[in-house]
Amino acid sequence: SQKIEQNSEALNIQEGKTATLTCNYTNYSPAYLQWYRQDPGRGPVFLLLIRENEKEKRKERLKVTFDTTLKQSLFHITASQPADSATYLCALETSGTYKYIFGTGTRLKVLA
Amino acid sequence: DSGVTQTPKHLITATGQRVTLRCSPRSGDLSVYWYQQSLDQGLQFLIQYYNGEERAKGNILERFSAQQFPDLHSELNLSSLELGDSALYFCASSVASGGFTDTQYFGPGTRLTVL
Repeated sequence: SQKIEQNSEALNIQEGKTATLTCNYTNYSPAYLQWYRQDPGRGPVFLLLIRENEKEKRKERLKVTFDTTLKQSLFHITASQPADSATYLCALETSGTYKYIFGTGTRLKVLA
Repeated sequence: DSGVTQTPKHLITATGQRVTLRCSPRSGDLSVYWYQQSLDQGLQFLIQYYNGEERAKGNILERFSAQQFPDLHSELNLSSLELGDSALYFCASSVASGGFTDTQYFGPGTRLTVL
């Protein structure tokens, strides 16, 4: 069956370090993958989108990679700050169906 | 503030009842999406409307229905409520009909508690 997996355990890192979050998917061939940030009790906020023909995408301190062979995307936050503490969700659209599938998210806590 | 509004913010009701959740998309957005988020299942796509027409359907129960009105606001109707329907319900909107160029903007959500 089709599945997206993110590390359900919380990730605690020290301020200033690089946080790396993983998103693995099976039985999909997505044309693109998205990353969102969600704060407690609030709606997700779109961060970055990466297409299947792009290996890497950057936006300020954020970097996303997409390996369609490994069926994996990595999300990096460099020089992390306590304000980066949130849950990060990956999402993809099952090709051509307009149905969006979200991972369960990874909770990141950046320690001052 | 994403520009998407949802009402009510909180809703407490009893099993077997029916409720209606309302969503107003960002100005100019033609698509509305509904999602359910519970602790054990994460964010689940329910349904999408584009310019008044159903565009895509996800894991939406038969007890649930939605529609998008001519003014583009949308309502999600939940009936014969069960305890397991307790969740956060999010609405999102986007400019077009979906696809990689079409960013979704999420509302603040409606927290539904079924007692």
